[in-house]
Amino acid sequence: GAGVSQSPSNKVTEKGKDVELRCDPISGHTALYWYRQSLGQGLEFLIYFQGNSAPDKSGLPSDRFSAERTGGSVSTLTIQRTQQEDSAVYLCASSLTSTWGEQYFGPGTRLTVT
Amino acid sequence: QKEVEQDPGPLSVPEGAIVSLNCTYSNSAFQYFMWYRQYSRKGPELLMYTYSSGNKEDGRFTAQVDKSSKYISLFIRDSQPSDSATYLCAIMEYGNKLVFGAGTILRVKS
Repeated sequence: GAGVSQSPSNKVTEKGKDVELRCDPISGHTALYWYRQSLGQGLEFLIYFQGNSAPDKSGLPSDRFSAERTGGSVSTLTIQRTQQEDSAVYLCASSLTSTWGEQYFGPGTRLTVT
Repeated sequence: QKEVEQDPGPLSVPEGAIVSLNCTYSNSAFQYFMWYRQYSRKGPELLMYTYSSGNKEDGRFTAQVDKSSKYISLFIRDSQPSDSATYLCAIMEYGNKLVFGAGTILRVKS
């Protein structure tokens, strides 16, 4: 079946602009996760959803970052007033539940802020 | 100090060599330990997971956990050029949240 998909695959934006990144999880997966992968920083957790609610937003780096999930499916990560340090690969993953289950990752969105 | 420490490498080995990849972690409450493999421009994929001290084998791969020293390892036997990738250790916290190491870049030369 289809895996996790993310769009766009690449995004170049000017400093100060807002961007939206989209994640389509595997059908039937109730848990959805966002991670950020920066050069030299590894993968860092941003936020996770169980259904449409986000019990843990602890990884969001600032209030410029927000995410929502609608219909228990698609999720959007929004970064407002982008800064150069936001340049990274943003990865989305989904799993059957949030208590346990293999997390399946999408290919990521490579964001470059100029 | 990061919760999970991993040497980023790169690690370069000849084809057929045994590869040893390692991580240390700080939180003794961690219960589940994973190894992910990530090819260039792709998302990570789960290789193996374990939840107890000891060894777990899957083909050419062996995952080892030593909870007393908070040390986890991945061994790859008979390494192949197709094993060239970044290997990430990950520890599971509550809510299925994963804490990753920085990843080790592995290059297997033919």
